[in-house]
Amino acid sequence: EIVLTQSPGTLSLSPGERATLSCRASQSIRSSNLAWYQQKPGQAPRLLIYGASSRAAGIPDRFSGSGSGTDFTLTIGRLEPEDFAVYYCQQSGSLYTFGQGTNLEIK
Amino acid sequence: EVQLVESGGGLVNPGGSLRLSCAASGFVFNDAWMSWVRQTPGKGLEWVGRIKGKTDGGTTDYSAPVKGRFTISRDDSKNTLYLQMNSLKSEDTAVYYCTTNSEYHFASWGQGTLVTVSS
Repeated sequence: EIVLTQSPGTLSLSPGERATLSCRASQSIRSSNLAWYQQKPGQAPRLLIYGASSRAAGIPDRFSGSGSGTDFTLTIGRLEPEDFAVYYCQQSGSLYTFGQGTNLEIK
Repeated sequence: EVQLVESGGGLVNPGGSLRLSCAASGFVFNDAWMSWVRQTPGKGLEWVGRIKGKTDGGTTDYSAPVKGRFTISRDDSKNTLYLQMNSLKSEDTAVYYCTTNSEYHFASWGQGTLVTVSS
């Protein structure tokens, strides 16, 4: 099983700041096999990024993804109040697993 | 617009069974790969299993913790996905989401249905 480790567990930032979230895989995966999701309290997860760097439909361009191999990054360019949420990475290189999540909270 | 509406959750005794349903609309269901994903406070998001679309053979795959106990099926005439859960354990307590599933990611999600396994 491919294990995804996300860091940090909690990230405290202010609106307008830049957020950088990390996802590390226990073995190398293709970029096509990495996705990111956003989840707000009481809601289902929402697909943000697929193929490591492609934005899903309707996702603002302040969200960007990058990385390859075992190290992947989700960057939020300039935080809006609605961006404070939990973010998960997910791999599909070997069936499917999710990271444990990064809680992006308002400082 | 893709809509996925889960139902069938509830309280069940350990060792019991439950069947979840997911009514789908807004896309061509019989070609779609579909998955169930569950979420617990302790273990986060966990993929449960997948069923491929008709043109890809309609085959199923399951995660190790549920293999042999859970069965995913579909009724394409009703645009409905099912999850039959048998021999339920306390660790199966979770919110269960129905999702559309490309080969690589989960594009659309339902609102989820809560399953509680407890005596």
